Amino acid sequence: GDSVTQMEGPVTLSEEAFLTINCTYTATGYPSLFWYVQYPGEGLQLLLKATKADDKGSNKGFEATYRKETTSFHLEKGSVQVSDSAVYFCALSDRSNTGNQFYFGTGTSLTVIP
Amino acid sequence: DVKVTQSSRYLVKRTGEKVFLECVQDMDHENMFWYRQDPGLGLRLIYFSYDVKMKEKGDIPEGYSVSREKKERFSLILESASTNQTSMYLCASSLFGFSYEQYFGPGTRLTVT
Repeated sequence: GDSVTQMEGPVTLSEEAFLTINCTYTATGYPSLFWYVQYPGEGLQLLLKATKADDKGSNKGFEATYRKETTSFHLEKGSVQVSDSAVYFCALSDRSNTGNQFYFGTGTSLTVIP
Repeated sequence: DVKVTQSSRYLVKRTGEKVFLECVQDMDHENMFWYRQDPGLGLRLIYFSYDVKMKEKGDIPEGYSVSREKKERFSLILESASTNQTSMYLCASSLFGFSYEQYFGPGTRLTVT
């Protein structure tokens, strides 16, 4: 079945450091891939997405490229800020007979220190 | 802006009580989902619905039921609450189609004592 594996946390970085959070997936078809972010006490919100191979999603300085050959969708940011402290979830959506199903990684907690 | 609202942010219930969690979305989405979120386990799908009166079991449906009588509303029911159902419950909705993202509500923190 489909699944998502992402880097375990927690991750602690200094402000302006480079961020990479690894995400790999297993899927039977050609899924869409997503990164969600969850700030303390809130629900998840979409950070970026890519719907086909070689697509790059980007938002708020974050980027991720859909790599079919390595089944990966790693999240990167060149210079993190304290306000980026949150939990990040990698997810995929695949076709099914009853619409689309979503599969989430377990989340990676990021803390950015000044 | 898509809005997904949940009836309560915090709820405290006693063991054995019947609990209703309500979720409403305002963007005419076909799909609606209920997850629970626990530390170290990520999000686990309880039930989802792709149309009115339709439902599908997720990964952990035991002890839960759902109801979708109207397109915009998806209810999660704990028939007889137990302490191991203490958790954060997240509702989400999406358009039908695998390229569409989910929109999440703010969550309900349920404590069963």
